[in-house]
Amino acid sequence: SYELTQPPSLSVSPGQTASITCSGNHLENKYTSWYQQRPGQSPIQVIYQDTKRPSGVPERFSGSNSGNTATLTISGTQAMDEADYYCQVWDVSTAVFGGGTRLTVL
Amino acid sequence: QVQLVESGGGVVQPGRSLRLSCAASGFTFNDFAIHWVRQPPGKGLEWVAVILTDGNNKYYADSVKGRFTISRDNSENTLFLEMNSLRVDDTAIYYCARAKLRFLEWPQGGFDPWGQGTLVTVSS
Repeated sequence: SYELTQPPSLSVSPGQTASITCSGNHLENKYTSWYQQRPGQSPIQVIYQDTKRPSGVPERFSGSNSGNTATLTISGTQAMDEADYYCQVWDVSTAVFGGGTRLTVL
Repeated sequence: QVQLVESGGGVVQPGRSLRLSCAASGFTFNDFAIHWVRQPPGKGLEWVAVILTDGNNKYYADSVKGRFTISRDNSENTLFLEMNSLRVDDTAIYYCARAKLRFLEWPQGGFDPWGQGTLVTVSS
């Protein structure tokens, strides 16, 4: 079965750029989505089809996908961006999530 | 606005059954595939199942295949998840989530939006 690998945690200072990676075999051949989940809340999609931003998602969120790695980039990270982030793809007939990355803004 | 509201969660003994519902509003229900995704307490997201627009095409995670059944009532804009032979490791918050993209593009766009979730606890 297909697997996606994310770093468990990442720390960034306010105003800096956070880059969260998601690795999978030939990932560039799949469309990657990214979700933000704040504590006690439902997930929210922040990127779909590798690079597209849903309506209402701040411009500081961007995505890329090349080779075996998709990346979610948060420019000018704010305290409100502290959350768990999950990548996701569709493989054959199954949706696959990465294990999640806890982003700490300190 | 687009809204998904789950219900039906609760505490159930191992081996018993439970039926979850997800009421949708604010969009043309017939146009979108709809998913169930679950999250065990303190853990990550796990996809459970999807049902396509006509209700005849369904896909399941291996962990629930043969025990869970996804269905939809397009006349009532409602999604269901029938869960049988429940196990302790089925304990989770269950979210319904709409496909981001309509019709045949649904695998490409992920899930947007999500409901608030309903907690299922399987315990003796």
